[in-house]
Amino acid sequence: NAGVTQTPKFRVLKTGQSMTLLCAQDMNHEYMYWYRQDPGMGLRLIHYSVGEGTTAKGEVPDGYNVSRLKKQNFLLGLESAAPSQTSVYFCASRPPGTDTYGYTFGSGTRLTVV
Amino acid sequence: AQSVTQPDIHITVSEGASLELRCNYSYGATPYLFWYVQSPGQGLQLLLKYFSGDTLVQGIKGFEAEFKRSQSSFNLRKPSVHWSDAAEYFCAVGAPLGSGTYKYIFGTGTRLKVLA
Repeated sequence: NAGVTQTPKFRVLKTGQSMTLLCAQDMNHEYMYWYRQDPGMGLRLIHYSVGEGTTAKGEVPDGYNVSRLKKQNFLLGLESAAPSQTSVYFCASRPPGTDTYGYTFGSGTRLTVV
Repeated sequence: AQSVTQPDIHITVSEGASLELRCNYSYGATPYLFWYVQSPGQGLQLLLKYFSGDTLVQGIKGFEAEFKRSQSSFNLRKPSVHWSDAAEYFCAVGAPLGSGTYKYIFGTGTRLKVLA
């Protein structure tokens, strides 16, 4: 089925460990985004990409890195996980153009850092 | 500063009753406004969006929303709620990032409970 696929769906990390979250979309979308969702705070933008090979910082980029080596994939890395990074992470994508402003979201990755 | 406020954290309605979820925004330019729904353990699904034109917009699942510039509001409505509408609802405004894209500024969400 077409859409945005996030892996893994759940993960528990120890403080200081590293991991990479993978987002893959098969809709040929140019724009991709990583958000984190925390209780009572809505969703906040971590990083985004406007095309293959490009990335940019969002509202809360500290502690995260990203890469967009292939158009269909957007990777979110945590180099040294901290308990403050316990959250649900959502990837989203959309095509360019002002008449298609809705995003397609993945189903999320629930990360716990202990 | 740009912001979105959803004043109701929780709302409970009976099945078949009408529903209105409130959303107020603060944004300097003409806003692009959205409502998303999130079922437990799922991602966000777009319900409807407003860019310009008719201030009453129709969405999926029988939802509609009305943009009122004078009140800086974009409230979501449904005439008759179904048990399957129980979920969390997010209002968002689109803020340009440059490079032809934009980010969402989300409200904190309203959790809807539906009583049988």
